Amino acid sequence: DADVTQTPRNRITKTGKRIMLECSQTKGHDRMYWYRQDPGLGLRLIYYSFDVKDINKGEISDGYSVSRQAQAKFSLSLESAIPNQTALYFCATSALGPLDSTDTQYFGPGTRLTVL
Amino acid sequence: ILNVEQSPQSLHVQEGDSTNFTCSFPSSNFYALHWYRWETAKSPEALFVMTLNGDEKKKGRISATLNTKEGYSYLYIKGSQPEDSATYLCASRRTGGSYIPTFGRGTSLIVHP
Repeated sequence: DADVTQTPRNRITKTGKRIMLECSQTKGHDRMYWYRQDPGLGLRLIYYSFDVKDINKGEISDGYSVSRQAQAKFSLSLESAIPNQTALYFCATSALGPLDSTDTQYFGPGTRLTVL
Repeated sequence: ILNVEQSPQSLHVQEGDSTNFTCSFPSSNFYALHWYRWETAKSPEALFVMTLNGDEKKKGRISATLNTKEGYSYLYIKGSQPEDSATYLCASRRTGGSYIPTFGRGTSLIVHP
C-alpha cells in the first residue's frame, strides 16, 4: 500500500467551481506539503504544514487554501477554480525537523487537475 | 544565483553512454542539496542528500558530487540504461528561513536502446 495517497487522481472541473484535493499519509510524518508542477517549471510550493496547528504559505499560495485536519491528512482547496490552475498537484511529507539537514520528502502519486 | 537552475533541460543519449548534468544553487546560507529521480507517471523519489562541501554519493551507476563554495552539484550516470530514463530534480535548502527546499526545473534524460 502506498504511504502517501492522493484523491482524486484525475479531475476535470469548470471555471468557478470549488474543488478539494485530499492527501493522506501512513508514514507518521509531521510535515506535509502541497506542490504544483507545470511543464517546464518544476515543482513549486503552494502551502506547507509543520504540524496540525501550523500552516504556512509557499511560493504560489494565491487562489488556494489548505486544511490540516489531522497529522495524517492535509487538504488543498481551490475556492473558485480558474484555467491557469490546470496542473499536476503533488502532496509530500517529510519526517524530520528543519534542523536535520538530511530531511527528505516523500511524494504522493499526484493529482492531475484540468480546469475548463 | 537566487534560484536553483538545472542544465541541460533535456538530454538524449544512447544505451551505454555515460552522462552528467548540473544543478546550480545559491552558495550563500547553504544547508543541503537533494537529488530526486522522477519517472513518467510516478512520483519523485529521493536519490541523494548532500550537506558538506566535497560530498560524493553513489548508488549503483549513479553518483553525485557537491561544491558548496561555488554552488553546484553534478549528477553522473555511468553506462546509461533505458530504465534510467527519467527527469532528475535537484532541490536546494538554505539556512535562515524555514529550510524548505527550492526545486530546479529538472533535467529530462531519455536513454535510447
